[in-house]
Amino acid sequence: NAGVTQTPKFRVLKTGQSMTLLCAQDMNHEYMYWYRQDPGMGLRLIHYSVGEGTTAKGEVPDGYNVSRLKKQNFLLGLESAAPSQTSVYFCASSYYRGQKNEQFFGPGTRLTVL
Amino acid sequence: DQQVKQNSPSLSVQEGRISILNCDYTNSMFDYFLWYKKYPAEGPTFLISISSIKDKNEDGRFTVFLNKSAKHLSLHIVPSQPGDSAVYFCAASGVTGTASKLTFGTGTRLQVTL
Repeated sequence: NAGVTQTPKFRVLKTGQSMTLLCAQDMNHEYMYWYRQDPGMGLRLIHYSVGEGTTAKGEVPDGYNVSRLKKQNFLLGLESAAPSQTSVYFCASSYYRGQKNEQFFGPGTRLTVL
Repeated sequence: DQQVKQNSPSLSVQEGRISILNCDYTNSMFDYFLWYKKYPAEGPTFLISISSIKDKNEDGRFTVFLNKSAKHLSLHIVPSQPGDSAVYFCAASGVTGTASKLTFGTGTRLQVTL
């Protein structure tokens, strides 16, 4: 049981390049989330999904796209990377049980855009 | 507008003493609160939570207190141990639309000294 895994762990991009971050979970969770963490800003929600085939915008969605083709995978895409997207990206998943929403996080992807 | 605030970026406590981490929120629709712990180069891990219908929840050395009228919660760690040194995030949850999303504070770095 690996929990939530993220690929890659580190990446350096040049401005304008594109990339996809992969998140996978083996807990059969319905909900999945992408966050970014910046110094002094906490974790901010980029996009989320409430089930296979669904996606929705979070707090800071601009410049990112997502897809949830399979229940266990949630992909985050950057079509044209910008230095402002330098951050640590965390994926999370949860099984929503009414009021409770305890999210399980992956180890993170550190992205640098030059 | 920061809906969940952790006004102390850092806290230093001696081993064996009590650590008190504070969190304030502004949105009265939040009905579930969580604390996450984060070590460097790892994802956040769930620590303890509390529903808005309670004012206290205990789990071993960790206790969370909720004061709804003041929109304030706190995490008490007694006794503090060196392994507790980490960044602690407060998060609040409230149902909006079809999903229950978490709003995170900016974190408090706790250092437990020998």
